[in-house]
Order: sequence, then C-alpha cells, then structure tokens
Amino acid sequence: SQTIHQWPATLVQPVGSPLSLECTVEGTSNPNLYWYRQAAGRGLQLLFYSVGIGQISSEVPQNLSASRPQDRQFILSSKKLLLSDSGFYLCAWSAPGGLLYEQYFGPGTRLTVT
Amino acid sequence: QKEVEQDPGPLSVPEGAIVSLNCTYSNSAFQYFMWYRQYSRKGPELLMYTYSSGNKEDGRFTAQVDKSSKYISLFIRDSQPSDSATYLCAMKASGTYKYIFGTGTRLKVLA
Repeated sequence: SQTIHQWPATLVQPVGSPLSLECTVEGTSNPNLYWYRQAAGRGLQLLFYSVGIGQISSEVPQNLSASRPQDRQFILSSKKLLLSDSGFYLCAWSAPGGLLYEQYFGPGTRLTVT
Repeated sequence: QKEVEQDPGPLSVPEGAIVSLNCTYSNSAFQYFMWYRQYSRKGPELLMYTYSSGNKEDGRFTAQVDKSSKYISLFIRDSQPSDSATYLCAMKASGTYKYIFGTGTRLKVLA
C-alpha cells in the first residue's frame, strides 16, 4: 500500500529565516506530487505540482519554491520567510496517467512564522 | 464566482441523524468528484470518490453527483460524534492535474 510522509510535523521559524519542508511517498512510482497551503478557516491553496523529476509547475507567485530531486521526494523551500507564510502545509500525491484520479494527503506541517 | 461553492457551516446535528453535505460547481468539464474528511490539525482523509454522475455507497456514506445541476452531495447515515470534522469536496476535469477544492463544511454531531 502507499504511504505519504511529511516532516517536520510542526515548525516555528523567525521572519527572514530559510525554510525546507520535505515530503516522500512510498509504494508507488512516478506519482504526481502537490504542495498545498491551508490558512486557518480557509480552503486549500495549490502552491506547486510536479508530474516528474525536475518538473515543477507553480500556481502562485510568491517567495516559495519547490523541487523534486527524486521520483518520490518533493521539497518546499523558501530563502526568507514572511509572516504571511504561516499556515498548514500539505503534500499530496495522485497516480500517474489517467486511470486513477484520487488524491491522497500527508499528515501536514504546521508552520508558524514569528 | 468561485469554481466550487461549499457552505462553511457549522452544521450541528444530533447523534443518529442523517447528514447532507453539498457542493455546487460551475465548470461543466469536471468529471471526477471526491469527498474528504479533515479532523482538526490533521491532513484530509479521502472518504469517497466518484466518476461522472450517479451514486456510490460505502458503509454509512453515500456520494451523489448530479452533473445536470452541477451539484454533488455526501450523505452520512446514523451520524456519530466521531464524524465531527470538516468535510471538503474536490473535483477535477479530465486531462488536467489540478484539483479544485471547496472551502469545507464544519460538521458537529452532538451526543
């Protein structure tokens, strides 16, 4: 079966500090990978998605970036955090191709920028 | 106009009630529909997924899609306090990678 991991689970960082959040998926190959942000009381905002190694699509221009160095690894980064970057960050995966369409989420990382 | 509209609630019901959660959408290209349950401070958990129109049942949960009305529903029978959570609808068009989410409905089942 497939599992998705995210770490760290919680993070408190000062404004202006760098950020690196990691997501890994087990039990599948060449998954589509996604980063979302969920602000308190609001819906899911798609930040980035990737359909293969080195292929990143950005949905929202901001000070965040994403990378996919390995098939099942997805990293969200920032060089300098802003207060507005606080939120709940969720990684998700879906199967490649068009036969399966369900999307599965990881446990999330709660980021507080102080 | 948002692509997907969902009443934020909160919706409070007594234990044992039948719960109806709904989403409306505007994009007729959506063909894949999903419902997620999200407990506080946790990642969303996929509950039900359906393709195109019709009903799908799984235990106490029934997902219903009416493409002619651009309306989807999730019914929960015999609701339990453990069903108290935020329920998110999501949908996707064929040939795209992006999923569009509703903002979620917060459900409270009172013991």
